[in-house]
Amino acid sequence: AQSVTQLGSHVSVSEGALVLLRCNYSSSVPPYLFWYVQYPNQGLQLLLKYTSAATLVKGINGFEAEFKKSETSFHLTKPSAHMSDAAEYFCAVSASRSNDYKLSFGAGTTVTVRA
Amino acid sequence: EAGVTQFPSHSVIEKGQTVTLRCDPISGHDNLYWYRRVMGKEIKFLLHFVKESKQDESGMPNNRFLAERTGGTYSTLKVQPAELEDSGVYFCASSQDQRGRFRFFGPGTRLTVL
Repeated sequence: AQSVTQLGSHVSVSEGALVLLRCNYSSSVPPYLFWYVQYPNQGLQLLLKYTSAATLVKGINGFEAEFKKSETSFHLTKPSAHMSDAAEYFCAVSASRSNDYKLSFGAGTTVTVRA
Repeated sequence: EAGVTQFPSHSVIEKGQTVTLRCDPISGHDNLYWYRRVMGKEIKFLLHFVKESKQDESGMPNNRFLAERTGGTYSTLKVQPAELEDSGVYFCASSQDQRGRFRFFGPGTRLTVL
């Protein structure tokens, strides 16, 4: 079975500051890992994904995440926050092997950006 | 190319009524998934179709929920009768690969049961 834990349900950052959202996973098989973003009144949009290629993954809007197997982590970062980054962010995991294809999501982290 | 679409975007119904949600996947995507988020909790898996067949329906909460995908194109999720705890956002997603590495989500349907 797979699961993720997102540390911090709310994160507040200043515009221009580093954004760091933490995600730890648990998986019985090598995982696929994803970060999704949900802007107000919109659906889920894929930011980036790790599917067993490079461990440092670059996504859209300047976000990146690093897969660290030893730490079972997949933290999301962005060097400089922009007002438009205010949204809810979800980390998710699925199995790369086995017949279990469903995504398991974390509880979400809401990011607010202060001017 | 059109993305995953869901209809309606919002639905408000009384407890005991029936509601049907619809999802149109991206054309050519054999895999279709339903998820929901209730009461600000985690987004939870409901079920997975491969074409018209149910590959995994382990997340369906009870027999008040019925999902169909006749012809392997669009899917419907019927809730009958609706209960208060069914309120939440229902997301649909589709992918071409079965492992869902390239999974696209729709905007969701917000269901409110009064």
